Amino acid sequence: AQSVTQLDSQVPVFEEAPVELRCNYSSSVSVYLFWYVQYPNQGLQLLLKYLSGSTLVKGINGFEAEFNKSQTSFHLRKPSVHISDTAEYFCAVSRGGYQKVTFGIGTKLQVIP
Amino acid sequence: DAGVTQSPTHLIKTRGQQVTLRCSPKSGHDTVSWYQQALGQGPQFIFQYYEEEERQRGNFPDRFSGHQFPNYSSELNVNALLLGDSALYLCASSLGTGGEPQHFGDGTRLSIL
Repeated sequence: AQSVTQLDSQVPVFEEAPVELRCNYSSSVSVYLFWYVQYPNQGLQLLLKYLSGSTLVKGINGFEAEFNKSQTSFHLRKPSVHISDTAEYFCAVSRGGYQKVTFGIGTKLQVIP
Repeated sequence: DAGVTQSPTHLIKTRGQQVTLRCSPKSGHDTVSWYQQALGQGPQFIFQYYEEEERQRGNFPDRFSGHQFPNYSSELNVNALLLGDSALYLCASSLGTGGEPQHFGDGTRLSIL
């Protein structure tokens, strides 16, 4: 079985400040990791993915994440947030292929002007 | 390039009724997965269809059923609706191999009165 823990349900941060959204996963086998963003009344948009290779993954909108196998973490970071980054962010894990994707409960990022 | 499209966008039903939700996958994708996202929660995997067969199923009762058509589009059917079925239902499509991430539609908001 696989699971995802997002450690913060809400993260308030001032505009232009850096932010880190934390994600830990549990799996008995190698996994693929994803971060998705959900804006109000919309579906999920893929921010970035880790399938293999370099542990530092760069995504869209200036976000990046680092895969740490020893700590089973995949934290999402952005050096300077914008008001438009206000949304809910979901960390997700899959064993790849046709395996289902398991999501965390989400972290609401609130960017304060 | 059309992404994943879902219909309808909103639906209101009463307890005991039946509902059918529809999904057209992103062009080139052959695998469709359905998720239920209750308010304040992450998406929960319902089932996945590939080559018109249910390939994997999450922890949902038999009241939830689906179908995939030869053109890869899919339907989600829910019978004997309960108040607890109120949620955003998301469809995601992908290629059936490797760790290709899923692409999500904007969902159908189902409200049960």
